[in-house]
Amino acid sequence: ETGVTQSPTHLIKTRGQQVTLRCSSQSGHNTVSWYQQALGQGPQFIFQYYREEENGRGNFPPRFSGLQFPNYSSELNVNALELDDSALYLCASSLAGTSGGGGTDTQYFGPGTRLTVL
Amino acid sequence: AQSVTQLDSQVPVFEEAPVELRCNYSSSVSVYLFWYVQYPNQGLQLLLKYLSGSTLVKGINGFEAEFNKSQTSFHLRKPSVHISDTAEYFCAVSMNRDDKIIFGKGTRLHILP
Repeated sequence: ETGVTQSPTHLIKTRGQQVTLRCSSQSGHNTVSWYQQALGQGPQFIFQYYREEENGRGNFPPRFSGLQFPNYSSELNVNALELDDSALYLCASSLAGTSGGGGTDTQYFGPGTRLTVL
Repeated sequence: AQSVTQLDSQVPVFEEAPVELRCNYSSSVSVYLFWYVQYPNQGLQLLLKYLSGSTLVKGINGFEAEFNKSQTSFHLRKPSVHISDTAEYFCAVSMNRDDKIIFGKGTRLHILP
C-alpha cells in the first residue's frame, strides 16, 4: 500500500509569483484535504476535495485554489504569492463513504512541501 | 464552532519519566478527537483517535489518551518516555467523518537525558 506523497519537497519563490504543489493520495482513498502549517503553529485547513469537487473550505482567500483529478491526486495552486504564504503545506487523504457511511474517519498525511517566499 | 487548546507549548521531561500533554476542546456538538505527532522536518502521523465507545484510547508507541466529556479534555499520556519521543504533538478535533480537522497549536515534548 502506497502512502501519501507530495512534491516538491522544498520550493523557493518570490513575492507575486504563482506556485503549484502536488499530492498523490493513498491507494484506495478518494478525498484529499490541504493544510497550511506556518512556523510554530498547528496546521490550518485550506480546503478539501471529494470526487473532483471542492467539499469545504477554510478561511483562505480565492488566490488559493485546487484541483482533484480522476485518479484522486490533487494540486494546490497559490497565485500572487505573499511573504506570509511561507509555510509547510500538508496534504492528507482519506476514504469518504457515500451517504450511509463507510468512511475511514482518519486522514493520512504526506510529508509536506516547504514553501519559502522571498 | 470547534476549537482546541493545548495548555503547554513546551514540556520538558526526563527520559523514562511519565508525561502528560494536556488538551481541552470546545464544541457544542459531539466531536471526534485525535492526537498527531510530528517529528522534526516530517509530516503528521496519527498517534490515536477517539470516535466513540471506551473513553480510554490506546495508540502507537505506548501512548494513550482519555476522553473526559464533562471536562472537555483529551489528555495524552505515556508512562515512560524515550529520547525518540522528542517531537511536536498536536491535539485535534473533527465534527464529522472526513470533515476538516481543527488543530491545536502543538506541544513540543523535550526529553532530557
